[in-house]
Amino acid sequence: QVQLVQSGAEVKKPGASVKVSCKASGYTITDSYVHWVRQAPGQGLEWMGWLSPKSGSTKSAQKFQGRVTMTGDTSISTAYMELSGLTSDDTAVYYCARSRAFDYWGQGTLITVSS
Amino acid sequence: DAVMTQTPLSLSVTPGQPASISCKSSQSLLYSDGKTYLYWYLQKTGQPPHLLIYEVSKRFSGVPDRFSGSGSGTDFTLKISRVEADDVGVYYCMQSMQHPPTFGGGTKVDI
Repeated sequence: QVQLVQSGAEVKKPGASVKVSCKASGYTITDSYVHWVRQAPGQGLEWMGWLSPKSGSTKSAQKFQGRVTMTGDTSISTAYMELSGLTSDDTAVYYCARSRAFDYWGQGTLITVSS
Repeated sequence: DAVMTQTPLSLSVTPGQPASISCKSSQSLLYSDGKTYLYWYLQKTGQPPHLLIYEVSKRFSGVPDRFSGSGSGTDFTLKISRVEADDVGVYYCMQSMQHPPTFGGGTKVDI
């Protein structure tokens, strides 16, 4: 069965960077895009960007351009999302999701930004 | 960006009764390939969202047939024919017809 398993929660200081991983199983990671979505506490869902694991191409929301880097390692079926210049506003649960339909989601990774 | 507007913001339902959620897009979601890229998700407390309906009206694998989706163009509806206790959570619509994908603000459903 398709599964996306994400890395664990992290606490970061303002100005730092964080890298979240998303390991895919049950399908071939190069067959679908991987999207990144975040959810601030008590808020809705915010799309951040997508990665094509096959080509390595990416596209991010304008809001995150210059701050987000999405990469993949097909040899271990894993996608990564790195966000730099963290502020308290980046405190959120970060999700990876598969394909245009966002049909399968990772369990989420809580990133807390606090001094 | 396509703005997705959901109504109502919250819905209190009685088990066994029907429920309906509306989602309106600021732009048509009909793509040139003839498909309409409108989706519905349910997010239960403490869990990631999970897909219920894709391309307006197609139920995802394992989704009970009490859930149905309808609509076209810019106006869409999710219906639950007979609400069960397990259906509580926040429902989101989403479009991926155009970049960037955008979500509705969510509809909180409780019993």
